[in-house]
Amino acid sequence: AQTVTQSQPEMSVQEAETVTLSCTYDTSESDYYLFWYKQPPSRQMILVIRQEAYKQQNATENRFSVNFQKAAKSFSLKISDSQLGDAAMYFCAYNDDKIIFGKGTRLHILP
Amino acid sequence: DTAVSQTPKYLVTQMGNDKSIKCEQNLGHDTMYWYKQDSKKFLKIMFSYNNKELIINETVPNRFSPKSPDKAHLNLHINSLELGDSAVYFCASSQVGADTEAFFGQGTRLTVV
Repeated sequence: AQTVTQSQPEMSVQEAETVTLSCTYDTSESDYYLFWYKQPPSRQMILVIRQEAYKQQNATENRFSVNFQKAAKSFSLKISDSQLGDAAMYFCAYNDDKIIFGKGTRLHILP
Repeated sequence: DTAVSQTPKYLVTQMGNDKSIKCEQNLGHDTMYWYKQDSKKFLKIMFSYNNKELIINETVPNRFSPKSPDKAHLNLHINSLELGDSAVYFCASSQVGADTEAFFGQGTRLTVV
């Protein structure tokens, strides 16, 4: 069965600094997609970034980028120039026929 | 112009009651889901429907029964509510294919007292 592991329950970063959230997953599939979702206090689930497993190039969306290591089954999220609005729960997710989430990392931004 | 909407947003009810949560999506997606988010924020898939057909039924008590009258709607009915059912329930939808993300409703916070 596919599993997604986020080993950091909580992290803190100073405003304007860079932070990396870790995610590993387990699958026997070769073709799949990975996502990072953000859940602010409003509770809404917001897609941050996606990565296709067959693409070697790491996805980037403005200040958000991923480090995708397929062989290691690792999919970390880097947030550059952290802003107060980045404070939220971040969930790593895997999708082949159903979307499975990690347990989340709560990110605090220190002013 | 909400893409995935669920009602109600909050639900407080007594143990033993039966309640329903409604979900509708206007994205034309063919797959809909119910997720449960517990107090530790863990998101666990409960059910998945594709074109009104049940595809995934994770280990969920029989008291939970999803109903999909058409592919734009997936309602969740819960019988004989228990204290442990208190959680946030999210409806989501996506198009078939692993390349599409899920779009989520705003969640329903269910509190059983």
